[in-house]
Amino acid sequence: EPEVTQTPSHQVTQMGQEVILRCVPISNHLYFYWYRQILGQKVEFLVSFYNNEISEKSEIFDDQFSVERPDGSNFTLKIRSTKLEDSAMYFCASKFGQTSNQPQHFGDGTRLSIL
Amino acid sequence: QKEVEQDPGPLSVPEGAIVSLNCTYSNSAFQYFMWYRQYSRKGPELLMYTYSSGNKEDGRFTAQVDKSSKYISLFIRDSQPSDSATYLCAMSNKAAGNKLTFGGGTRVLVKP
Repeated sequence: EPEVTQTPSHQVTQMGQEVILRCVPISNHLYFYWYRQILGQKVEFLVSFYNNEISEKSEIFDDQFSVERPDGSNFTLKIRSTKLEDSAMYFCASKFGQTSNQPQHFGDGTRLSIL
Repeated sequence: QKEVEQDPGPLSVPEGAIVSLNCTYSNSAFQYFMWYRQYSRKGPELLMYTYSSGNKEDGRFTAQVDKSSKYISLFIRDSQPSDSATYLCAMSNKAAGNKLTFGGGTRVLVKP
């Protein structure tokens, strides 16, 4: 069964450094998402991406965050200057259809640890 | 009031019992309702996906949605130790990009 893959599984970074999290969504999917889950808290929406542009973003997704689909397969989340509070699991998700009645499928996440 | 509420558990049941999970929500715009299973250090895995009110059954899993009460349920019949995980409810409105709003998850432990 096709799946969303994320790399790396664990990223350790010094505070203030830039980090790029990578995702390969399911190949025929059109909508792409990033969510994060701080330890012990809910999964929270960060951003959705469709047709090479952001379609919606949360208040968490400030100017330090950016997303890109650099080629036909990868979808990346960049955090420009990491803070301690960015430590979390980051999940990528993708969805097939342009209509709303399609579920999102998640990758296994990247655990980001900021020191 | 939180947008989606879910009892964190843990919910401990003997093997073979029925597991009953539920979520309440406050946003009447939610139209699509999902249940995900999450094992430790893994991503959410889709279990059930329903639209609007009603029941849906898939194997040992039954999902129920009551939009008038803003209440959704997941039942797991003949529970197995491998069902031990955290169960997340999630929901979205009708917009095509439809971000998911999650509950906090219920941890379930099925004892052999």
